Amino acid sequence: DSGVTQTPKHLITATGQRVTLRCSPRSGDLSVYWYQQSLDQGLQFLIQYYNGEERAKGNILERFSAQQFPDLHSELNLSSLELGDSALYFCASSVGTDSGNTIYFGEGSWLTVV
Amino acid sequence: QKEVEQDPGPLSVPEGAIVSLNCTYSNSAFQYFMWYRQYSRKGPELLMYTYSSGNKEDGRFTAQVDKSSKYISLFIRDSQPSDSATYLCAMSVPDSNYQLIWGAGTKLIIKP
Repeated sequence: DSGVTQTPKHLITATGQRVTLRCSPRSGDLSVYWYQQSLDQGLQFLIQYYNGEERAKGNILERFSAQQFPDLHSELNLSSLELGDSALYFCASSVGTDSGNTIYFGEGSWLTVV
Repeated sequence: QKEVEQDPGPLSVPEGAIVSLNCTYSNSAFQYFMWYRQYSRKGPELLMYTYSSGNKEDGRFTAQVDKSSKYISLFIRDSQPSDSATYLCAMSVPDSNYQLIWGAGTKLIIKP
């Protein structure tokens, strides 16, 4: 158990809908990362937050947004969902943002868009 | 060309064999090198973490970094069926805005 908690574990939704994925980082970790992993694809970095502020953006679509709250939990919002958005979405956390910080992953939220 | 190249496999070996997994990279500024193990539909789990060059050993696992060749390796001795997973390499430059660059992952199958 990495200490990173993600909910829900699985969800199925229809195209055009909106979903929210939730992440609680490890105790003491200030940095949260979101990744997308499609079937048989590598990890795609989406976005990073540090202590409530956006720190870095990766290949995140405009239909997707995220935020980190004062209690450090984070949410990833996916809207106008398309079939191609079906993927595993991972949250990860680390203590800080500097290189050398170990990143710990949650178990992921499996999203199926039908 | 991707910054980090990793053969996706699958790599299939018999139980007990020594496994060698590799990544090559193009950015000579990378200093932090990591190997993660990912079981099917589970979150990646950190296996090995190395700073700069050299070897690091942890039980049956050895991580090796050759910066002159821009090449990193993960060796697994006495491989077990439970080692069957996808192995991802990741690396980063010394930076205050830490970003990991990931390999695509190699799927490893250990046959009993």
